[in-house]
Amino acid sequence: AQTVTQSQPEMSVQEAETVTLSCTYDTSESDYYLFWYKQPPSRQMILVIRQEAYKQQNATENRFSVNFQKAAKSFSLKISDSQLGDAAMYFCAYRRSRNSGNTPLVFGKGTRLSVIA
Amino acid sequence: DGGITQSPKYLFRKEGQNVTLSCEQNLNHDAMYWYRQDPGQGLRLIYYSQIVNDFQKGDIAEGYSVSREKKESFPLTVTSAQKNPTAFYLCASSQPGPKGWNQPQHFGDGTRLSIL
Repeated sequence: AQTVTQSQPEMSVQEAETVTLSCTYDTSESDYYLFWYKQPPSRQMILVIRQEAYKQQNATENRFSVNFQKAAKSFSLKISDSQLGDAAMYFCAYRRSRNSGNTPLVFGKGTRLSVIA
Repeated sequence: DGGITQSPKYLFRKEGQNVTLSCEQNLNHDAMYWYRQDPGQGLRLIYYSQIVNDFQKGDIAEGYSVSREKKESFPLTVTSAQKNPTAFYLCASSQPGPKGWNQPQHFGDGTRLSIL
């Protein structure tokens, strides 16, 4: 079974600085998808960024980017120019391949990010 | 606007009582999911359904039951067999996009269940 590990239960960053959240996963498959979700205090789940395993290029979405290391099974999230609104719980998630149909996500336990003004 | 509606927002259960959490979506998605969230545990899968009239157990299905009689609805019943039901419950749905299965799951706003 696939597992996702987030080794940092809590992180903090100064406003306008850069922070990196770590995520590693375990799978025997070669084709899969990886996601980062943000959960603010409202508890809504908001997609931050996604990565297809078959793509070598790292995904970016404005201030958010990932460092995808397929061989190392690592998928870290970098937040640049941190803002107060970035304070939230961040979850890393894994999903099986394109040919597996509508499959569930496997989540890590999350990293709580605090942003200091 | 399309989305997922979970109700109620807060629910209280008495000992020995079954309760049902509602999840309705108007996104025309085939697949729906139920996750449980506990502090420090992330989201864990309870049940999921890939198509109407079909569903599969997730990692923590014991003490829960579901039905999928309509595409838009996927209610979750927390039975008296679930001894520790206090948690935050999230419903989600998904559908493949033009580029395959990389589409994110859409989530409802959740139901907070507590024991009286």
